[in-house]
Amino acid sequence: KQEVTQIPAALSVPEGENLVLNCSFTDSAIYNLQWFRQDPGKGLTSLLLIQSSQREQTSGRLNASLDKSSGRSTLYIAASQPGDSATYLCAVYGGATNKLIFGTGTLLAVQP
Amino acid sequence: GAVVSQHPSWVICKSGTSVKIECRSLDFQATTMFWYRQFPKQSLMLMATSNEGSKATYEQGVEKDKFLINHASLTLSTLTVTSAHPEDSSFYICTAGVTDTQYFGPGTRLTVL
Repeated sequence: KQEVTQIPAALSVPEGENLVLNCSFTDSAIYNLQWFRQDPGKGLTSLLLIQSSQREQTSGRLNASLDKSSGRSTLYIAASQPGDSATYLCAVYGGATNKLIFGTGTLLAVQP
Repeated sequence: GAVVSQHPSWVICKSGTSVKIECRSLDFQATTMFWYRQFPKQSLMLMATSNEGSKATYEQGVEKDKFLINHASLTLSTLTVTSAHPEDSSFYICTAGVTDTQYFGPGTRLTVL
């Protein structure tokens, strides 16, 4: 059974800091991994999608890496802003059960 | 790009009534759809996997008689919450996809009074 864990569960940083969010998964036979942000009471906003054959994806201040063999992904946010405050979720698709499983989430607060 | 819609986007109902949520793939045919629910301050939990033309596969702990899933066509899956109770109040999200890619619906917020 695929298990997806995100560390830390919550993070508070001052504006301008660079930060790293972590996602680990137990079954490495995945198709892809995706990072989302979710604002309170809202749906999911897709940030980055990394296919299993890729090692990283970049979009603006965001960079996501994938190490399938070790079952890990990181989301790097450069020069954080208060508007980055949200819950960040990773989701892996595939594995032995061919399901899409979400991580436990990281609640990020960027202090002005 | 692939678009997935959900209807309604929010619904309020009385305890004991049934509510149907639709998930549609608008510009592609989806062989697989997943249904999730999200309680406040928690992550998304997989409820069931829906494959077109076959019965849904439910996750452990999800009552199949309470959460009826129908995947009648390659573009539509429905989730019916039967005899809803306040503890069923949640955010429900579907995904639809083919092969190795899933696309996400915007979600439906259900409030049961």
